[in-house]
Amino acid sequence: DAGITQSPRHKVTETGTPVTLRCHQTENHRYMYWYRQDPGHGLRLIHYSYGVKDTDKGEVSDGYSVSRSKTEDFLLTLESATSSQTSVYFCAVASGTRGRAGELFFGEGSRLTVL
Amino acid sequence: AQSVTQLGSHVSVSEGALVLLRCNYSSSVPPYLFWYVQYPNQGLQLLLKYTTGATLVKGINGFEAEFKKSETSFHLTKPSAHMSDAAEYFCAVSRGRGGSNYKLTFGKGTLLTVNP
Repeated sequence: DAGITQSPRHKVTETGTPVTLRCHQTENHRYMYWYRQDPGHGLRLIHYSYGVKDTDKGEVSDGYSVSRSKTEDFLLTLESATSSQTSVYFCAVASGTRGRAGELFFGEGSRLTVL
Repeated sequence: AQSVTQLGSHVSVSEGALVLLRCNYSSSVPPYLFWYVQYPNQGLQLLLKYTTGATLVKGINGFEAEFKKSETSFHLTKPSAHMSDAAEYFCAVSRGRGGSNYKLTFGKGTLLTVNP
Protein backbone atom coordinates (compact mmCIF):
# COMPACT_ATOMS: atom_id res chain seq x y z
CA ASP A 1 0.00 0.00 0.00
CA ALA A 2 1.59 3.24 -1.17
CA GLY A 3 -0.79 5.40 0.84
CA ILE A 4 -2.57 6.97 -2.13
CA THR A 5 -5.96 8.58 -1.70
CA GLN A 6 -7.99 9.97 -4.57
CA SER A 7 -10.93 12.30 -4.05
CA PRO A 8 -13.68 12.39 -4.96
CA ARG A 9 -14.08 8.74 -5.94
CA HIS A 10 -17.22 9.45 -7.91
CA LYS A 11 -18.46 12.69 -9.42
CA VAL A 12 -21.23 13.65 -11.81
CA THR A 13 -21.07 17.13 -13.25
CA GLU A 14 -22.43 19.17 -16.13
CA THR A 15 -20.71 20.33 -19.28
CA GLY A 16 -18.88 23.59 -18.79
CA THR A 17 -18.33 23.34 -15.05
CA PRO A 18 -14.87 23.24 -13.49
CA VAL A 19 -13.77 20.04 -11.76
CA THR A 20 -10.77 19.34 -9.56
CA LEU A 21 -9.58 15.86 -8.66
CA ARG A 22 -7.14 15.44 -5.81
CA CYS A 23 -4.44 12.86 -5.29
CA HIS A 24 -2.84 12.64 -1.86
CA GLN A 25 0.11 10.40 -0.96
CA THR A 26 1.70 9.71 2.40
CA GLU A 27 4.98 8.06 1.30
CA ASN A 28 6.88 11.11 0.04
CA HIS A 29 7.27 9.74 -3.49
CA ARG A 30 8.96 12.09 -5.94
CA TYR A 31 6.94 11.31 -9.07
CA MET A 32 3.19 11.65 -9.43
CA TYR A 33 1.02 10.99 -12.46
CA TRP A 34 -2.51 11.42 -13.70
CA TYR A 35 -3.80 8.84 -16.18
CA ARG A 36 -7.22 8.40 -17.71
CA GLN A 37 -8.63 4.99 -18.55
CA ASP A 38 -11.16 4.51 -21.32
CA PRO A 39 -12.44 1.32 -22.96
CA GLY A 40 -10.33 0.48 -26.00
CA HIS A 41 -7.67 3.02 -25.13
CA GLY A 42 -6.01 1.56 -22.07
CA LEU A 43 -4.30 4.10 -19.84
CA ARG A 44 -3.17 7.41 -21.28
CA LEU A 45 -0.94 9.85 -19.46
CA ILE A 46 -2.45 13.30 -18.91
CA HIS A 47 0.20 15.08 -16.85
CA TYR A 48 2.97 14.11 -14.51
CA SER A 49 5.13 15.73 -11.87
CA TYR A 50 8.77 15.12 -11.02
CA GLY A 51 8.86 17.38 -7.97
CA VAL A 52 7.12 20.24 -6.24
CA LYS A 53 6.04 22.77 -8.85
CA ASP A 54 7.70 20.67 -11.57
CA THR A 55 5.14 19.28 -13.99
CA ASP A 56 4.98 18.29 -17.62
CA LYS A 57 2.42 17.25 -20.19
CA GLY A 58 1.54 13.74 -21.19
CA GLU A 59 -0.05 12.52 -24.39
CA VAL A 60 -3.62 13.76 -23.71
CA SER A 61 -3.12 17.02 -21.81
CA ASP A 62 -5.50 19.30 -23.74
CA GLY A 63 -8.29 20.55 -21.50
CA TYR A 64 -6.45 19.63 -18.30
CA SER A 65 -4.14 21.47 -15.94
CA VAL A 66 -2.27 20.30 -12.84
CA SER A 67 -0.62 21.73 -9.81
CA ARG A 68 1.72 20.39 -7.17
CA SER A 69 2.41 22.86 -4.40
CA LYS A 70 3.32 20.16 -1.85
CA THR A 71 5.05 16.82 -2.23
CA GLU A 72 1.99 14.94 -1.06
CA ASP A 73 -0.69 16.53 -3.24
CA PHE A 74 -1.19 16.51 -7.01
CA LEU A 75 -4.31 18.22 -8.31
CA LEU A 76 -5.90 17.68 -11.71
CA THR A 77 -8.25 20.41 -12.94
CA LEU A 78 -10.69 20.40 -15.79
CA GLU A 79 -11.32 24.11 -16.36
CA SER A 80 -14.52 23.51 -18.32
CA ALA A 81 -15.58 19.89 -18.38
CA THR A 82 -16.76 18.30 -21.62
CA SER A 83 -18.51 14.99 -22.25
CA SER A 84 -15.32 13.63 -23.83
CA GLN A 85 -13.69 13.90 -20.42
CA THR A 86 -16.04 11.33 -18.95
CA SER A 87 -13.59 8.71 -17.80
CA VAL A 88 -11.95 6.95 -14.90
CA TYR A 89 -8.96 8.92 -13.67
CA PHE A 90 -6.09 7.23 -11.90
CA CYS A 91 -3.37 8.83 -9.88
CA ALA A 92 -0.07 6.99 -9.63
CA VAL A 93 3.17 7.60 -7.75
CA ALA A 94 6.74 6.38 -8.10
CA SER A 95 9.76 6.78 -5.90
CA GLY A 96 12.23 7.11 -8.77
CA THR A 97 14.93 5.42 -6.74
CA ARG A 98 17.61 3.32 -8.40
CA GLY A 99 16.36 -0.17 -9.05
CA ARG A 100 12.72 0.84 -8.79
CA ALA A 101 12.38 2.44 -12.22
CA GLY A 102 8.90 2.12 -13.65
CA GLU A 103 7.36 0.79 -10.46
CA LEU A 104 4.17 2.78 -10.22
CA PHE A 105 1.67 2.53 -7.40
CA PHE A 106 -1.88 3.39 -8.36
CA GLY A 107 -4.79 4.85 -6.48
CA GLU A 108 -8.24 3.32 -6.72
CA GLY A 109 -9.49 5.73 -9.34
CA SER A 110 -11.98 8.57 -9.64
CA ARG A 111 -14.96 8.00 -11.88
CA LEU A 112 -16.06 11.24 -13.54
CA THR A 113 -19.24 11.58 -15.56
CA VAL A 114 -19.85 14.78 -17.51
CA LEU A 115 -23.45 15.22 -18.63
CA ALA B 1 9.12 7.46 -28.67
CA GLN B 2 7.92 4.22 -27.19
CA SER B 3 4.76 2.30 -27.94
CA VAL B 4 3.18 -0.99 -26.99
CA THR B 5 0.83 -3.28 -28.88
CA GLN B 6 -1.12 -5.93 -27.05
CA LEU B 7 -2.46 -8.57 -29.40
CA GLY B 8 -5.97 -9.56 -28.44
CA SER B 9 -8.19 -7.36 -26.34
CA HIS B 10 -9.87 -10.42 -24.82
CA VAL B 11 -8.40 -13.85 -24.07
CA SER B 12 -10.46 -16.70 -22.66
CA VAL B 13 -8.94 -19.86 -21.17
CA SER B 14 -10.11 -22.80 -19.13
CA GLU B 15 -9.00 -23.23 -15.54
CA GLY B 16 -5.72 -25.17 -15.56
CA ALA B 17 -4.83 -24.19 -19.12
CA LEU B 18 -1.84 -22.20 -20.26
CA VAL B 19 -2.16 -18.44 -20.20
CA LEU B 20 -0.38 -16.51 -22.96
CA LEU B 21 -0.84 -12.76 -23.30
CA ARG B 22 1.07 -11.11 -26.12
CA CYS B 23 2.91 -7.82 -26.08
CA ASN B 24 5.10 -6.23 -28.72
CA TYR B 25 6.93 -2.99 -28.19
CA SER B 26 8.57 -0.29 -30.19
CA SER B 27 11.43 1.72 -28.77
CA SER B 28 14.30 3.73 -30.19
CA VAL B 29 16.45 2.94 -27.15
CA PRO B 30 16.82 -0.16 -24.96
CA PRO B 31 13.55 -0.33 -23.09
CA TYR B 32 12.33 -1.23 -19.67
CA LEU B 33 9.24 -3.43 -19.93
CA PHE B 34 6.45 -4.10 -17.47
CA TRP B 35 3.27 -6.05 -16.95
CA TYR B 36 0.59 -4.63 -14.69
CA VAL B 37 -2.66 -6.27 -13.61
CA GLN B 38 -5.97 -4.64 -12.78
CA TYR B 39 -8.67 -6.44 -10.86
CA PRO B 40 -12.26 -5.14 -11.14
CA ASN B 41 -12.81 -1.71 -9.61
CA GLN B 42 -9.20 -1.40 -8.51
CA GLY B 43 -6.08 0.42 -9.61
CA LEU B 44 -3.23 -1.30 -11.42
CA GLN B 45 -0.51 -3.23 -9.63
CA LEU B 46 2.89 -4.33 -10.88
CA LEU B 47 3.12 -7.98 -11.90
CA LEU B 48 6.71 -8.07 -13.12
CA LYS B 49 9.33 -6.03 -14.94
CA TYR B 50 12.40 -6.36 -17.14
CA THR B 51 15.18 -3.81 -16.95
CA THR B 52 18.49 -5.49 -17.70
CA GLY B 53 20.12 -8.89 -17.24
CA ALA B 54 18.19 -12.14 -17.36
CA THR B 55 15.61 -12.04 -20.11
CA LEU B 56 13.19 -14.40 -18.36
CA VAL B 57 11.61 -12.59 -15.45
CA LYS B 58 9.31 -14.03 -12.83
CA GLY B 59 6.54 -12.12 -11.16
CA ILE B 60 3.85 -12.60 -8.61
CA ASN B 61 1.16 -15.29 -8.72
CA GLY B 62 3.20 -17.64 -10.94
CA PHE B 63 3.42 -15.35 -13.95
CA GLU B 64 6.56 -14.90 -15.99
CA ALA B 65 7.60 -13.06 -19.14
CA GLU B 66 10.48 -13.30 -21.56
CA PHE B 67 12.17 -10.34 -23.22
CA LYS B 68 13.03 -11.19 -26.82
CA LYS B 69 14.90 -8.32 -28.41
CA SER B 70 14.97 -9.89 -31.88
CA GLU B 71 11.18 -10.19 -31.85
CA THR B 72 10.57 -6.94 -29.89
CA SER B 73 8.27 -8.96 -27.68
CA PHE B 74 7.56 -9.37 -23.98
CA HIS B 75 4.82 -11.99 -23.75
CA LEU B 76 3.28 -12.93 -20.41
CA THR B 77 2.69 -16.59 -19.53
CA LYS B 78 1.42 -18.75 -16.72
CA PRO B 79 1.44 -22.55 -16.99
CA SER B 80 -1.90 -23.15 -15.31
CA ALA B 81 -4.70 -20.59 -15.07
CA HIS B 82 -6.62 -20.09 -11.87
CA MET B 83 -10.01 -18.49 -11.49
CA SER B 84 -8.41 -15.71 -9.48
CA ASP B 85 -6.30 -14.73 -12.52
CA ALA B 86 -9.34 -13.21 -14.21
CA ALA B 87 -8.43 -9.55 -14.63
CA GLU B 88 -7.20 -7.03 -17.18
CA TYR B 89 -3.51 -7.08 -17.98
CA PHE B 90 -1.50 -4.17 -19.29
CA CYS B 91 1.91 -4.22 -20.91
CA ALA B 92 3.97 -1.03 -20.55
CA VAL B 93 7.28 0.35 -21.77
CA SER B 94 9.62 3.10 -20.70
CA ARG B 95 12.97 4.32 -21.84
CA GLY B 96 15.74 2.29 -20.31
CA ARG B 97 18.86 3.25 -18.47
CA GLY B 98 19.80 6.88 -18.87
CA GLY B 99 16.41 7.82 -20.23
CA SER B 100 13.07 8.84 -18.87
CA ASN B 101 12.48 5.52 -17.19
CA TYR B 102 10.00 7.04 -14.80
CA LYS B 103 7.45 7.70 -17.58
CA LEU B 104 5.49 4.68 -18.79
CA THR B 105 3.47 4.15 -21.95
CA PHE B 106 0.76 1.53 -21.57
CA GLY B 107 -0.87 -0.79 -24.05
CA LYS B 108 -4.62 -0.95 -24.44
CA GLY B 109 -4.96 -3.97 -22.19
CA THR B 110 -6.04 -7.59 -22.50
CA LEU B 111 -9.00 -8.86 -20.53
CA LEU B 112 -8.39 -12.42 -19.32
CA THR B 113 -11.41 -14.58 -18.62
CA VAL B 114 -10.95 -17.95 -16.89
CA ASN B 115 -13.70 -20.51 -17.40
CA PRO B 116 -14.35 -23.27 -14.86
